[in-house]
Amino acid sequence: GGIITQTPKFLIGQEGQKLTLKCQQNFNHDTMYWYRQDSGKGLRLIYYSITENDLQKGDLSEGYDASREKKSSFSLTVTSAQKNEMAVFLCASSRQGTEVFFGKGTRLTVV
Amino acid sequence: SQLAEENPWALSVHEGESVTVNCSYKTSITALQWYRQKSGEGPAQLILIRSNEREKRNGRLRATLDTSSQSSSLSITATRCEDTAVYFCATDRHDSGYNKLTFGKGTVLLVSP
Repeated sequence: GGIITQTPKFLIGQEGQKLTLKCQQNFNHDTMYWYRQDSGKGLRLIYYSITENDLQKGDLSEGYDASREKKSSFSLTVTSAQKNEMAVFLCASSRQGTEVFFGKGTRLTVV
Repeated sequence: SQLAEENPWALSVHEGESVTVNCSYKTSITALQWYRQKSGEGPAQLILIRSNEREKRNGRLRATLDTSSQSSSLSITATRCEDTAVYFCATDRHDSGYNKLTFGKGTVLLVSP
């Protein structure tokens, strides 16, 4: 088995701030993902990466940057936090064509 | 517009009863997955059913897939309080051969004693 660790669990930022969320996996999976979950809107794909140093935009990439410097880690940066923004950011990983494993999420609040 | 959508939006049953969640999708798929998300956790896969399969079982869970009507169902028999969660269907868009799951908004299931 393996685990996906997301840090921090809770993140409170100020409007306009650049905020970074981190994710580590020990499954040795090639593909990693960042999803955003808003209440009542399901999960939306922000970025994904199929291998180290690869980045692919998802459906919601505007306002975000991502970085995959190692196979085991994938970070997401909110380039300019929006006031009253509140969402859960979920990191995930998988092997091609198989089950996707999720972390427990980072809960973002912007004041 | 949503590419995958569950219905109903919410369900409430008593322990021991059976329940079915439905999913409709709009794209051509290679597989459909059902996930469960408990409070404070990330989603966890329950069943993966490929486009050439019609039914898949996992313990008390049974998923069906009808590619002609682009629909799927997830049935849970003998429900337990710990089945309380949000249930999502997710379709597999095989762009460049890599998983790009598209999730619905989910069905909230409450199982009470």
